Amino acid sequence: KQEVTQIPAALSVPEGENLVLNCSFTDSAIYNLQWFRQDPGKGLTSLLLIQSSQREQTSGRLNASLDKSSGRSTLYIAASQPGDSATYLCAVRARDYKLSFGAGTTVTVRA
Amino acid sequence: DAGVTQSPTHLIKTRGQQVTLRCSPKSGHDTVSWYQQALGQGPQFIFQYYEEEERQRGNFPDRFSGHQFPNYSSELNVNALLLGDSALYLCASSADGQGAVDTEAFFGQGTRLTVV
Repeated sequence: KQEVTQIPAALSVPEGENLVLNCSFTDSAIYNLQWFRQDPGKGLTSLLLIQSSQREQTSGRLNASLDKSSGRSTLYIAASQPGDSATYLCAVRARDYKLSFGAGTTVTVRA
Repeated sequence: DAGVTQSPTHLIKTRGQQVTLRCSPKSGHDTVSWYQQALGQGPQFIFQYYEEEERQRGNFPDRFSGHQFPNYSSELNVNALLLGDSALYLCASSADGQGAVDTEAFFGQGTRLTVV
């Protein structure tokens, strides 16, 4: 059974600081990994999709890396802003079609 | 493109009642998955529908059932509601046709179900 862990569970930083969010998974036989953002009480917004053959993916201030063999992914958010405050979830997709999620990292960026 | 749309956004039901939640996938998507998210936790997979059939199911009781229509929209039904069924229910769509397994999933805004 795939287990996904996100560390830390919560993070508070001053505006302008870079954010580093970690995700680990137990079964490396994945097809892809997605990072999502979730605002309180809302749905999930897809931020980045990394295919199993890729090492990293970038979109604006966001960069995500994937080390499939060690079961790790890291999401970097450069020059954080108060609008980046949200919960960030990582999810992996394997042969069973479903996405397996971590519990998320709740980020607070202080102005 | 309207993206994934879910209805209703909020719902309050009494223990023992039945509820139906609805989902319209993103344009061009043929696969719909349902997830349950309890407060403070990550979403848990309920089941996935492709070509109007349940393709995969998570560890949820038979009280949870679903349907997919020819236009790819989907319904989630929950019978005999329990207090523990209170959660945010999320629908996700993807374009898994023709054997694609590495497609991106897009989520709706969710339905907040409260059982009292």
